[in-house]
Order: sequence, then structure tokens, then C-alpha cells
Amino acid sequence: AQSVAQPEDQVNVAEGNPLTVKCTYSVSGNPYLFWYVQYPNRGLQFLLKYITGDNLVKGSYGFEAEFNKSQTSFHLKKPSALVSDSALYFCAVRDKASYDKVIFGPGTSLSVIP
Amino acid sequence: DAMVIQNPRYQVTQFGKPVTLSCSQTLNHNVMYWYQQKSSQAPKLLFHYYDKDFNNEADTPDNFQSRRPNTSFCFLDIRSPGLGDAAMYLCATSDGFLAEQYFGPGTRLTVT
Repeated sequence: AQSVAQPEDQVNVAEGNPLTVKCTYSVSGNPYLFWYVQYPNRGLQFLLKYITGDNLVKGSYGFEAEFNKSQTSFHLKKPSALVSDSALYFCAVRDKASYDKVIFGPGTSLSVIP
Repeated sequence: DAMVIQNPRYQVTQFGKPVTLSCSQTLNHNVMYWYQQKSSQAPKLLFHYYDKDFNNEADTPDNFQSRRPNTSFCFLDIRSPGLGDAAMYLCATSDGFLAEQYFGPGTRLTVT
């Protein structure tokens, strides 16, 4: 079965330091991977996606993610965290075997400390 | 700006009293989704439309229904809300299944 794991419920990082939010996935075919961010009482916002091509994907607000097929991972990264990056982050994978529905990971709460 | 709009942003209903949540989009996307989200958990897909083709998730309660009268609008009807249906309801759209989803701001439903 297709699945997405985000092993950390909470990530704390100091402002200005690099941040990483981890995601691993399990799919039967080629993965289509996404990262979304959610601020309090708001809908999700798309950050970036991997469909095919370069393993390093650049997205909105200075975020990037690296697709690693051998480790089945798609970790979200940013070189220098901002306090305004504090939010809930969801990794997601498209399940082509199930009418292409999106499976979301459980979410990781990121706190950037001033 | 093209966007996904949800009305109302906050809805209070009584136990068992039918309620309708609405979603509209100006993106002209062919896929529309309804999600339920509780307490910062992952959004749970209730159903989606590909154009007029309706797809209900197997574990979506019969209490939840949906209508899509045209490309731009989609409605979520909860026929007899229970206390457990209190949640944030998110509408999203996408331009086909490989594309990213655009989410509305959500409707927070309270059941009293």
C-alpha cells in the first residue's frame, strides 16, 4: 500500500540556521511527491513537487527538496530559517494505483526560534 | 487573482441540523476535492470530482454528500451533523491529477 511517513512530529531550529523536514514514502510505481505548508487557520499552500528530472527541486519561499530514490526520501530543506517559516508541513504522494488520489503524511510542526 | 474561495469561513450548526458548505474557483481546474481536517492532523479526503465524474472515498460516511453543478462550484452537504463532524473542511482544486492542489482557506465547522 502507498504511504508517506514524516518521522518527526516537531522540529525546532534557530533563526538563521538550516532546516530539514524529513519525509519517506512507499509507492509501487514512480512517485509523484509534493510538499505543502499550512499556517494556523489557513488552507494548505503548495511549496514544490517532484515528478521527474533533477533530484533537487526548488520551490517557493527559498525551500528546496531532494528526491532520493534509493532511500525513498524527499526531505524538505532551507539554508537559513526565518521565524515566519514556523508552520505545519505536509509531505504528500500521488497514488496512481488508487485513482491518483493524494496521500498526505501526518505533518511536521516547524518552530523557528528567534 | 485566480483563487479558491470557501464560504462561510466559520459555520456553527446544531446537532442533526443539515448544513451546506460551498467552494468556488476561478482557476478553471477540472478536479475538485473536499477534505476534512481535525486538530492539525493530515487532511482526510472525503471525495473528489474529475469534471462531473464523482469519486467517493470508501470510508466517507453516508452523512456526507457533494454536488458539483458546474466547473466553478462544489458543495459539501452534511445531512445530520454529529459532534464528531466538527472540523476544518478544505476544498482544493487541481489541473489534472499530476498537478499540485490549490486549497481554499477552509470552513471551520462547529456542532453544538
